[in-house]
Amino acid sequence: EDQVTQSPEALRLQEGESSSLNCSYTVSGLRGLFWYRQDPGKGPEFLFTLYSAGEEKEKERLKATLTKKESFLHITAPKPEDSATYLCAVQQGAQKLVFGQGTRLTINP
Amino acid sequence: GAVVSQHPSRVICKSGTSVKIECRSLDFQATTMFWYRQFPKQSLMLMATSNEGSKATYEQGVEKDKFLINHASLTLSTLTVTSAHPEDSSFYICSARNTASSNQPQHFGDGTRLSIL
Repeated sequence: EDQVTQSPEALRLQEGESSSLNCSYTVSGLRGLFWYRQDPGKGPEFLFTLYSAGEEKEKERLKATLTKKESFLHITAPKPEDSATYLCAVQQGAQKLVFGQGTRLTINP
Repeated sequence: GAVVSQHPSRVICKSGTSVKIECRSLDFQATTMFWYRQFPKQSLMLMATSNEGSKATYEQGVEKDKFLINHASLTLSTLTVTSAHPEDSSFYICSARNTASSNQPQHFGDGTRLSIL
């Protein structure tokens, strides 16, 4: 059975303090690993898709990387507006997504 | 801007009421849409896959007679929670993917907060 585990469950950082969020997965034939950002009371907002080990993608202060077993979301010099829950998901079959529990990130000014 | 619109954003109603939630893809066609449920501080759990012009596919443990799905057009799917009870209170979120393009991610609506009194 496909599984996605995210760690830590919650993370508090000071503004400017870089860190990484982890997403470990087990899937039979990875068709895509997705990162989303979710603000309270809102739906997830798409950030990145990664398809193969070694792939990296960047957007502003965020960089996502992928290995055969896990993905990291690196956040560099974060700002308070980066505070959100970050969700990782793997594609199961043609289109279905299996989500991890998320990491609640808080950036203190 | 938003590419998937979900309405209403919040519903409060009495036990026994049926509630309809709409999900629209705004600038693309989606032959498939997805309905999720999210409990506080938990992740998204897929309830069902909505297929345009055919029956929805429900995940194990989801009652198809309780959660009616209709996908009558390439831009609209609806979820009806029939005879809702307090245990149905939750955050319901839909998503859609542009099926005209390959390797497109799912885009999500802003969710519907359902509260059954």
